[in-house]
Amino acid sequence: NAGVTQTPKFQVLKTGQSMTLQCAQDMNHNSMYWYRQDPGMGLRLIYYSASEGTTDKGEVPNGYNVSRLNKREFSLRLESAAPSQTSVYFCASSPKGIGQETQYFGPGTRLLVL
Amino acid sequence: GESVGLHLPTLSVQEGDNSIINCAYSNSASDYFIWYKQESGKGPQFIIDIRSNMDKRQGQRVTVLLNKTVKHLSLQIAATQPGDSAVYFCAENYNNAGNMLTFGGGTRLMVKP
Repeated sequence: NAGVTQTPKFQVLKTGQSMTLQCAQDMNHNSMYWYRQDPGMGLRLIYYSASEGTTDKGEVPNGYNVSRLNKREFSLRLESAAPSQTSVYFCASSPKGIGQETQYFGPGTRLLVL
Repeated sequence: GESVGLHLPTLSVQEGDNSIINCAYSNSASDYFIWYKQESGKGPQFIIDIRSNMDKRQGQRVTVLLNKTVKHLSLQIAATQPGDSAVYFCAENYNNAGNMLTFGGGTRLMVKP
């Protein structure tokens, strides 16, 4: 099993450009998450999907949209990138249910917005 | 609001010594806690977890202690090795948050040879 995979690994954008970050998991997990991590800081939740067909805002959703394409895939879209969105983006997944809160993370996408 | 936090941003230890990384939480409803290790350029990696009905849990070279009285969580690493150098995060889950986790700011562990 590859676990959680993310593409691309690194991206440079100009202000105003758009892009989609891709995430996939092969662990048959129900829940998926997108976080951002800024230098020297912890993880902040952008959006999550508790199950296929549902998405909800997290702590910092402004400027982002998500799509839960199917059970395996959860994408994050920046419609008009801003320098404040320069960050490392992590996708995670977890099984659903009591006692299954552990989240498993992908390797991250490093995004630089100029 | 209630949050998870860490006492020490950086911890430097000698190879072979034991390391203790601390975490304070303020949400009394939290019932599940996780420690993650993040190496440079990589995603967080699960180390160990503990539920609120326990006060201690041991893994391979790692032990997590939970003190609910003072809302304190610690990660102990025995015989610290250079490969343990990383940033360590604690995270909490409270019972009305589904599978969502709240993360602390992280502690950097540096192991001196």
